[in-house]
Amino acid sequence: DQQVKQNSPSLSVQEGRISILNCDYTNSMFDYFLWYKKYPAEGPTFLISISSIKDKNEDGRFTVFLNKSAKHLSLHIVPSQPGDSAVYFCAGKPGVNTGKLIFGQGTTLQVKP
Amino acid sequence: EAGVVQSPRYKIIEKKQPVAFWCNPISGHNTLYWYRQNLGQGPELLIRYENEEAVDDSQLPKDRFSAERLKGVDSTLKIQPAELGDSAVYLCASSLGGQGFTEAFFGQGTRLTVV
Repeated sequence: DQQVKQNSPSLSVQEGRISILNCDYTNSMFDYFLWYKKYPAEGPTFLISISSIKDKNEDGRFTVFLNKSAKHLSLHIVPSQPGDSAVYFCAGKPGVNTGKLIFGQGTTLQVKP
Repeated sequence: EAGVVQSPRYKIIEKKQPVAFWCNPISGHNTLYWYRQNLGQGPELLIRYENEEAVDDSQLPKDRFSAERLKGVDSTLKIQPAELGDSAVYLCASSLGGQGFTEAFFGQGTRLTVV
């Protein structure tokens, strides 16, 4: 049972344009959602989070949108830069009493110069 | 400030052999996690520690995997005996823990290949 799904294995965008990465979930008990970025041969790096009681969180070029009715969240990167090329993981935290994260499969983003 | 440190970075062993991974979390982080990441998948939690107590080990294959976090700081994850299907990247992460949300910081991982 995959509680967090990233249905697009890869995405390619032009430098300067918007990148939109999508994530769907099934567990209504998630209280936080997080996005991590991972470069090859490195561990995942925390990027941005959103509480389940919010519908938007913005941090510089990165914005996460949460649609609870659709059980869908997305990460927008504007403008995209070549250094953003990495694997992006969406994760949900299932409740206030745990720090456990449930990750999606990841989406590989390529930003072309 | 030093991040989460893991060693070794890479390990190749024959099946049925034992292997151990070591993790030093960020100073002051009470919560420590071991995740396993299979190729093309996201990380999956194996075990979570709050200080020296294992509070979530439901996903740890206890017949061959063991972990310890002595004194609530460093941690070791062991596999004995290793199987071909254990080939993966083993990630350690730590967070402040406590009430409220705190993000987890990951180490670089140990890539295990079982041949």
